[in-house]
Amino acid sequence: EAAVTQSPRNKVTVTGGNVTLSCRQTNSHNYMYWYRQDTGHGLRLIHYSYGAGNLQIGDVPDGYKATRTTQEDFFLLLELASPSQTSLYFCASSEDWGENTLYFGAGTRLSVL
Amino acid sequence: GDSVTQTEGLVTLTEGLPVMLNCTYQTIYSNPFLFWYVHYLNESPRLLLKSSTDNKRTEHQGFHATLHKSSSSFHLQKSSAQLSDSALYYCALSDRFNTGANTGKLTFGHGTILRVHP
Repeated sequence: EAAVTQSPRNKVTVTGGNVTLSCRQTNSHNYMYWYRQDTGHGLRLIHYSYGAGNLQIGDVPDGYKATRTTQEDFFLLLELASPSQTSLYFCASSEDWGENTLYFGAGTRLSVL
Repeated sequence: GDSVTQTEGLVTLTEGLPVMLNCTYQTIYSNPFLFWYVHYLNESPRLLLKSSTDNKRTEHQGFHATLHKSSSSFHLQKSSAQLSDSALYYCALSDRFNTGANTGKLTFGHGTILRVHP
């Protein structure tokens, strides 16, 4: 089964702080995704990528940047964190699009005070 | 754009009763792929089952669903709920032949929490 590793698992920062969430997948999947999960909203797509150097905008991109440095690594950056970004963040990967299964990481719980 | 609707935010059931979680979708494309993902507490979300074949029943781990393109539905069912089925369930949609701006995008519904009690 695909392995997707997120770090850190928990993060607390203050309003205006700078946060980087990391994700690494070890199955050479082409697609990687960042989602946030909030009660009443479910999983919402922030950014995704189909290869190193590629970035696609998701449904809720405001306040977030992302960078895919290699096939394996996908980062989510919050340069001026706000309390509205307090959430549970999931990274996921898939071999291809369409019918392919998403494999999720364990999640990062972020609190912005 | 695409959308997925799960009408129930919370479903509470007694163990042994049948489960039905509703999922309807909207897409302009004629070849959608539908998924059910399950998220157990303190675990990662994972695929439960998927389908792109109209009117064909798909089964996995005691759950089943049938894609009905005529009604744009993909409801999740199980004949008898177990305590261990308590989890958050997501219905999701992908457009298999979409080569436009949203290539690669999976659209999730808001999720349905299933709570099964003794």
